Amino acid sequence: GENVEQHPSTLSVQEGDSAVIKCTYSDSASNYFPWYKQELGKRPQLIIDIRSNVGEKKDQRIAVTLNKTAKHFSLHITETQPEDSAVYFCAASSSGNTGKLIFGQGTTLQVKP
Amino acid sequence: GAGVSQSPSNKVTEKGKDVELRCDPISGHTALYWYRQSLGQGLEFLIYFQGNSAPDKSGLPSDRFSAERTGGSVSTLTIQRTQQEDSAVYLCASSSGTTQSNEQFFGPGTRLTVL
Repeated sequence: GENVEQHPSTLSVQEGDSAVIKCTYSDSASNYFPWYKQELGKRPQLIIDIRSNVGEKKDQRIAVTLNKTAKHFSLHITETQPEDSAVYFCAASSSGNTGKLIFGQGTTLQVKP
Repeated sequence: GAGVSQSPSNKVTEKGKDVELRCDPISGHTALYWYRQSLGQGLEFLIYFQGNSAPDKSGLPSDRFSAERTGGSVSTLTIQRTQQEDSAVYLCASSSGTTQSNEQFFGPGTRLTVL
């Protein structure tokens, strides 16, 4: 069935360093790949997304890259700050239905001041 | 405007009891989703409503779980004969349902504890 694998499960970096989170998906028909950030005790919120017709997208310190051939996509956070500490979830749209998302297991990012 | 709301925020129940969880989506959003998030885990898809189409129930873990969406707006997730493994945060999300905008907006969740 549809599956999204996310790595690493935990990531600790020093403030100012970069952080990279990687995801792979199983369904070659997936065409929409969002990333959500969930701070402790709060609801997930969309931070960036990418569609299959684009290879890279940037928004200030955040970027996402997509390799459709290899079926993987990555989140890159540069110049990390303590407020970037949170759980990050990747997701891929379900085959034939761009509304439904299959989420990865999440990555807990800790940015040490 | 108002975001997605859920009630109750917390629910403690005894094993074997039935519970109902409510979700009020953003006004005008045609798509509504239910997820389950166990402690330290990811978002497990449960069910998806899109407009008047038949819901996608493929994520419901057992026949004890059901959901309905009345009038294309409010949704209720019902868990019958609750078990301890049902303890989790149940998140609802809604989206506009258009191909131009897939963003799902999440509610604050209902934390369910089954004793």
